Amino acid sequence: ELKVEQNPLFLSMQEGKNYTIYCNYSTTSDRLYWYRQDPGKSLESLFVLLSNGAVKQEGRLMASLDTKARLSTLHITAAVHDLSATYFCAATLVGGSQGNLIFGKGTKLSVKP
Amino acid sequence: KAGVTQTPRYLIKTRGQQVTLSCSPISGHRSVSWYQQTPGQGLQFLFEYFSETQRNKGNFPGRFSGRQFSNSRSEMNVSTLELGDSALYLCASSLAPPAQETQYFGPGTRLLVL
Repeated sequence: ELKVEQNPLFLSMQEGKNYTIYCNYSTTSDRLYWYRQDPGKSLESLFVLLSNGAVKQEGRLMASLDTKARLSTLHITAAVHDLSATYFCAATLVGGSQGNLIFGKGTKLSVKP
Repeated sequence: KAGVTQTPRYLIKTRGQQVTLSCSPISGHRSVSWYQQTPGQGLQFLFEYFSETQRNKGNFPGRFSGRQFSNSRSEMNVSTLELGDSALYLCASSLAPPAQETQYFGPGTRLLVL
């Protein structure tokens, strides 16, 4: 059974600081996704990581994937208030033509001035 | 291109009633998945449809059902509502099944059961 764990679950950062959110998954996965959710809103797709060593960057966010360690990271560089949101990682099962997303619990990020 | 739309956006029901939620996927997307989001359990997969066939189902009781129409629009139904069914129900669509393509989420339907 595929399980996805994120840590930390809560993160309070100061503007300008760097931090990393970790996402571990229990079995081999086809794909690793990162989503953002603002309060009361839906999920916005940030990144999809397909292979070992994949790295993607968008603005102050950078995501990477290590399939051997079953670990993905979301690195935040020089945080700004606009990045305050809940970030979810999600994985899909290997080998299925069906598949569904298994989500982590989410990391609630608060960036303070 | 229009995104995923869900109706209604908000709903208040009482225990024992039933409810139907609707989802219109992004044009051209044939896969539709439903998820339930609650503060306690987080995001949990309900079911996935592709070309009108339910291909995958999560661990939810039979009170939760769904279907997909030939135009890829999908509905989910919850019968005999319980207080614990209060949640944000999210629909997501993709070109192909989720193991192959990124899913895009709709705004959700917030259901409150009293």
